[in-house]
Amino acid sequence: DAKTTQPTSMDCAEGRAANLPCNHSTISGNEYVYWYRQIHSQGPQYIIHGLKNNETNEMASLIITEDRKSSTLILPHATLRDTAVYYCIVRVAPGNQFYFGTGTSLTVIP
Amino acid sequence: GAVVSQHPSRVICKSGTSVKIECRSLDFQATTMFWYRQFPKQSLMLMATSNEGSKATYEQGVEKDKFLINHASLTLSTLTVTSAHPEDSSFYICSASWPPRSEQFFGPGTRLTVL
Repeated sequence: DAKTTQPTSMDCAEGRAANLPCNHSTISGNEYVYWYRQIHSQGPQYIIHGLKNNETNEMASLIITEDRKSSTLILPHATLRDTAVYYCIVRVAPGNQFYFGTGTSLTVIP
Repeated sequence: GAVVSQHPSRVICKSGTSVKIECRSLDFQATTMFWYRQFPKQSLMLMATSNEGSKATYEQGVEKDKFLINHASLTLSTLTVTSAHPEDSSFYICSASWPPRSEQFFGPGTRLTVL
């Protein structure tokens, strides 16, 4: 079962930062948080992942709270092509399975 | 890098027939592959985990005799939907991973329609 909860939908103005929250209050100490996004009728695309520390790559930043019970994905300058469903996933050890929650449908508005 | 392909991308079959879906890792050797199913307007549901050379591990509620998974090589896994019925119509997606990389790389998906 998914260990994450996310808002069902969000809107963001083009060019502004999109901040997508995720709650994972039952996360264990060695479980990583992953973010993926899925554009309609395509396979999910990897964005970023982290354990404790904040992470940044060319796509996004991941902010993880100190108690690790929640995280926020930040898209610094949202574009129309960022419109997608964003999934926050806690990787389950030892098999490394992903159990997807409902995700957040992000709509970037011109 | 880390490209996963699926074939076919779309398939239509008659009820009662079997359908095979291939998942290939094109530029890496996948020690583990995963199969998911996604119904319209729903999230991905993990069906099974497949490690190369061993039997797949199925999630609770997934019939292993209906959804046959083979992972005979480090670059290929197949999902066979046996005796397909209209309720099996769905979007089937595979993913692959290999140590030490921890993320899963997903294929583009296969749309199955059973008439």
